[in-house]
Amino acid sequence: GAGVSQTPSNKVTEKGKYVELRCDPISGHTALYWYRQSLGQGPEFLIYFQGTGAADDSGLPNDRFFAVRPEGSVSTLKIQRTERGDSAVYLCASSTGQGEKLFFGSGTQLSVL
Amino acid sequence: DQQVKQNSPSLSVQEGRISILNCDYTNSMFDYFLWYKKYPAEGPTFLISISSIKDKNEDGRFTVFLNKSAKHLSLHIVPSQPGDSAVYFCAASGGGSNYKLTFGKGTLLTVNP
Repeated sequence: GAGVSQTPSNKVTEKGKYVELRCDPISGHTALYWYRQSLGQGPEFLIYFQGTGAADDSGLPNDRFFAVRPEGSVSTLKIQRTERGDSAVYLCASSTGQGEKLFFGSGTQLSVL
Repeated sequence: DQQVKQNSPSLSVQEGRISILNCDYTNSMFDYFLWYKKYPAEGPTFLISISSIKDKNEDGRFTVFLNKSAKHLSLHIVPSQPGDSAVYFCAASGGGSNYKLTFGKGTLLTVNP
């Protein structure tokens, strides 16, 4: 596609459930990022992939969060045992890996009830 | 500890006038700075950037100024248009190989017709 695609656009779940958020980056982009934006805050870095490997996962808040990018394209962010504090917009971005200009998707609004 | 600060949550200007959005940073390792614009229900979109070796970068109606000694940058929009109404995020990168961005909380700009 022309831009970064994220699905679903909205996800409502119950506390304790497992969720998966999907990101389809711009074709050919080798770098992929996940950010989280809470209400009234700027995006906060979670994890960065270069190709298939997680080059930097220092922003993942705890071991309930995990992300994969098995073929170097689509990525899935996985959250286990969701908590109400996980409610936020989860943003995915991709880039050519040649500079800091990131292209963001529209995000997934996650609501944990 | 917030490393990128946007101290004005909102700014309102008249159409045709200049909009000035400000950003301060604390980490002296940051060497690349970007401004992103975000409309509701959309992801942030890249607007303009500046490297720490420059003090000014201009692109059409948008100019970014960097004052390294003061650890301060600003975005000037002139003339402002109603379509510029959005949340503006300042972001910074420490360079290196992963281009991880640190964002401010954003400033909501409203341009009144």
